[in-house]
Amino acid sequence: SAVISQKPSRDICQRGTSLTIQCQVDSQVTMMFWYRQQPGQSLTLIATANQGSEATYESGFVIDKFPISRPNLTFSTLTVSNMSPEDSSIYLCSVGGYSYEQYFGPGTRLTVT
Amino acid sequence: QKEVEQNSGPLSVPEGAIASLNCTYSDRVSQSFFWYRQYSGKSPELIMSIYSNGDKEDGRFTAQLNKASQYVSLLIRDSQPSDSATYLCAVKGRNNDMRFGAGTRLTVKP
Repeated sequence: SAVISQKPSRDICQRGTSLTIQCQVDSQVTMMFWYRQQPGQSLTLIATANQGSEATYESGFVIDKFPISRPNLTFSTLTVSNMSPEDSSIYLCSVGGYSYEQYFGPGTRLTVT
Repeated sequence: QKEVEQNSGPLSVPEGAIASLNCTYSDRVSQSFFWYRQYSGKSPELIMSIYSNGDKEDGRFTAQLNKASQYVSLLIRDSQPSDSATYLCAVKGRNNDMRFGAGTRLTVKP
């Protein structure tokens, strides 16, 4: 499976600011996804990052709040904008190739004060 | 009805016993099913995938799928304390995205 890295691994941010999370894969992948995992909860899909086009967002998530870029087949970013304490969560990118399986990066632990 | 439901647990079994984790899903057209293991503070790790009805075995793990009943299960034989984790059932949706259950926390007691 691909090796996935995320930066930063954790951050503490003030409300009203923005944070950009990077996801880098060591090989080209077809699909990249962004998930959120709130404390003690399961994973919720934020959006599918599409290479060369706008991301596809799930219900309840909007581009103004969570802009996503995917400039190529190995890299994507997720920005959490105008943060509030409710955005405190773990943000995970995952990748999937031509197989059906998805693999997760190590996650970014965000705390908003 | 939630898309993917798991028995909420927590589930506690003694070392050496069989742990049984269950999951049901609502979308009848789903074709791909997965079990992830998540240790505290870590990201989910894929441990099993299953696509056809029946059983699939990998070491101490057996995944079982019954599409007619919309039911997936994971059996862990000879449970070890290192198996203590949260187990997430995931179902691949129509748009190639994963839908996750809430997870079952398993504790294996020495």
